[in-house]
Amino acid sequence: KAGVTQTPRYLIKTRGQQVTLSCSPISGHRSVSWYQQTPGQGLQFLFEYFSETQRNKGNFPGRFSGRQFSNSRSEMNVSTLELGDSALYLCASALGETQYFGPGTRLLVL
Amino acid sequence: GDSVTQMEGPVTLSEEAFLTINCTYTATGYPSLFWYVQYPGEGLQLLLKATKADDKGSNKGFEATYRKETTSFHLEKGSVQVSDSAVYFCALSGDTDKLIFGTGTRLQVFP
Repeated sequence: KAGVTQTPRYLIKTRGQQVTLSCSPISGHRSVSWYQQTPGQGLQFLFEYFSETQRNKGNFPGRFSGRQFSNSRSEMNVSTLELGDSALYLCASALGETQYFGPGTRLLVL
Repeated sequence: GDSVTQMEGPVTLSEEAFLTINCTYTATGYPSLFWYVQYPGEGLQLLLKATKADDKGSNKGFEATYRKETTSFHLEKGSVQVSDSAVYFCALSGDTDKLIFGTGTRLQVFP
């Protein structure tokens, strides 16, 4: 079974721009979660989607948003990028409570 | 709120040494506990998990036992290899299923 895939793997943007990251979960998994990883803050939960509905949300500003499609694929969007948004963004899919992570998208904001 | 505390790294060991990485947690209810490993430039890989008190998770020679009385989930391996060099994250999943991670512990194994 294929694992979680994320695209793109690397991205460079400038302040003020917006970005969309994509995640394809493991086949059959209906839950998709997003995490931000930075050296200073570590791994922080952004949000979780299940059957196209946001089920949980972390403590991030409204510039961070997401959605899930009927095939369980998910996207997250960050608008008005700030330097501090530079991070590794990890997507995880789950069938029960165990989450399986993709390789991440490394975003650099200049 | 729920939280996870891991020992500070880096942990530096010689090949074939015994490894312990300490992890304690604070949670309401009965969380599930996980260890994930991250190799350079990669995402997180699930190493092992335990879902209730006294459960022992094991994988690839690594073990951890869910100790409710001490709220701990320490990771151990009897004989580490150079290929085990990575960052190890302890995490819990409570009522909301979101993962709460510790800060990570870097392990460096030298031949």
